[in-house]
Amino acid sequence: DVVMTQSPLSLPVTLGQPASISCRSSQSLVHSDGNTYLYWFQQRPGQPPRRLIYQVSNRDSGVPDRFSGSGSGTDFTLKISRVEAEDVGIYYCMQATHWPPWAFGQGTKVEIK
Amino acid sequence: EVQLVESGGGFVKPGESLRLSCAASGINLANAWVSWIRQAPGKGLEWVGRSRRMSDGGAIEYAASVKGRFFISRDESQNSLKLQMDSLKDEDTAMYYCVTGSFWGQGTLVIVSS
Repeated sequence: DVVMTQSPLSLPVTLGQPASISCRSSQSLVHSDGNTYLYWFQQRPGQPPRRLIYQVSNRDSGVPDRFSGSGSGTDFTLKISRVEAEDVGIYYCMQATHWPPWAFGQGTKVEIK
Repeated sequence: EVQLVESGGGFVKPGESLRLSCAASGINLANAWVSWIRQAPGKGLEWVGRSRRMSDGGAIEYAASVKGRFFISRDESQNSLKLQMDSLKDEDTAMYYCVTGSFWGQGTLVIVSS
């Protein structure tokens, strides 16, 4: 099974400053159809997860453009250009290229300094 | 507006069974791939299983941790997805979410404890 490893696991950030979360997979996430099925989710305290990014870099509807996803192969990054208070929560990456099972990263907790 | 509403959670003892339901509105689940994902208290996300739409073969896949104990089925008359959970274990305690595409329900809590 594919293993997803996120870093850091805890990320204290200053309001208005950028933040970056890394996600690495144990094998390439390029599917035989040429697509890369790597997703990012945000989970605010007490809320269900919300998908932010699909297929590496595509923002879901309603997601602010301060969120961006990038990467290829086994290395991926979620960036927040300027952190706002509402961005506090836990962020997960997930792969759906090699299934079953889908595999999630451990989660990165973003908090305000 | 798409809404997924899970129900059926509760408190059960190890070895007992529970049946969860995911009711959809604003989307026809018959045309969707639908998954169950769970989250143990204070822990990360774990994929439980998925039902493909019938037009894509209708196959159902399960995580190794639940295979042979959990069973996913569809009820097209109610536009819903079911999760039958048998032989429940303490480690099945979690919030269970129904997910399709970018849409998540609010979840239903299952607690397994003696």
